[in-house]
Parts: sequence; C-alpha cells; structure tokens
Amino acid sequence: QVQLVQSGAEVKKPGSSVKVSCKASGGTFSSYAISWVRQAPGQGLEWMGGIIPIFGTANYAQKFQGRVTITADESTSTAYMELSSLRSEDTAVYYCAWGHPNWFAPWGQGTLVTVCS
Amino acid sequence: EIVLTQSPATLSLSPGERATLSCGASQSVSSSYLAWYQQKPGLAPRLLIYDASSRATGIPDRFSGSGSGTDFTLTISRLEPEDFAVYYCQQYGSSITFGQGTRLEIK
Repeated sequence: QVQLVQSGAEVKKPGSSVKVSCKASGGTFSSYAISWVRQAPGQGLEWMGGIIPIFGTANYAQKFQGRVTITADESTSTAYMELSSLRSEDTAVYYCAWGHPNWFAPWGQGTLVTVCS
Repeated sequence: EIVLTQSPATLSLSPGERATLSCGASQSVSSSYLAWYQQKPGLAPRLLIYDASSRATGIPDRFSGSGSGTDFTLTISRLEPEDFAVYYCQQYGSSITFGQGTRLEIK
C-alpha cells in the first residue's frame, strides 16, 4: 500500500518561491507517476503537472508553464513541486498523487501554502 | 481546454436514496477518459471511477459510472451516511481538467 507524506505548511511573501516535497513509501517509486493538484480555499481541483521518475521529464498544465518545476529524486523516493513568482491567488492546498499519469490514487495529505505580505 | 460542467451544484437526498450526478464536457472526451473523485471536508480526494466506468480498488459496488462523448454520469445506487461529500469529475483525454464539483448533502 503506497503512502505519500508531504512537507509541512508554508507561509510565503508575494514574488517568492515555494518548494513542496512528497515522499513515497510502500511502492515502486520510479515506475509510476507523481502528479500535483492544488485546491484554493473553498474551490475545486486544479491539475498542475506530473512526472514519471524513471523517464525524468515532467509535463505541465499550460497555465503553470514557466512558473512550476516538478522533479523527482529516485534515491529518496521523493518528488518535489516548486512554484515561483508567488501571488495571493496561489494560496491553496497542494496535493501530490501517485500512480497512473492520468488518474490519481492515492493522494498525499496536502500542504497548505499561504501567500501574504 | 476541455471544460467540464457538473450538475447539479448541490444535491439533497436522504440515506437509502439513489443519487445521479452529471458531468458534461465542452467537447468530446476521447476514449471515455473520465474519472470521478469523492472529497470529504479536510481530506484529500479519493478516486472512485476511472475510464468512465471502471471502479477503483476498494470502491463499493454501489458506485457506478457511465457515459461517453460529452455526457457522463456517476450513480450511487443506495446512499450510505458516509457518501455525503463533494464529487468531482476529471477528464484526461486532452490534458487534464476537473469539473467544479457537486455537493451531495443530507436532506
């Protein structure tokens, strides 16, 4: 049974960057996809992008192209999502999710990123 | 980008009743590449259905999905108290997008 554990909540200033981690255990990390989905307070879900560690290349939603970087470290079974040029609208819970590149199960517990001055 | 519109926004039903949730796509979703998720307050979403009608591991058979093209449906045959939550559809036929969600509440 795969489990995903994400890093803790962050408070960031506008214009800065945030890097969220997602550590997987109980599964074959390299061969499956790790995807990132965010959820603004009281809002719906928004896919940001994903990576299959064994292939190494991430793909991103057009909305986040140039501002998000998704990476994976096979040696520690950890994926990362870095979002730059933060603005208040980026305040959200950021989830990682494992498995198939196109549907997501299971999910991490979520990481709240708050952007405020 | 394929826009998914879920209806109704809120559905009020009683335990034991049948729930029918709809998801409409702005253009045809290729190969029925559509999934459904359940989300409870403060928790991450849980995958229920993928490929429009395949139940995910561990999902009770009271949950079923159907549809193709631009019209998809999630049916819960007989509502249990733990089924009251928000439900999202997601397409992966062209990039990945989610619907805005349907809130299933106790009547």
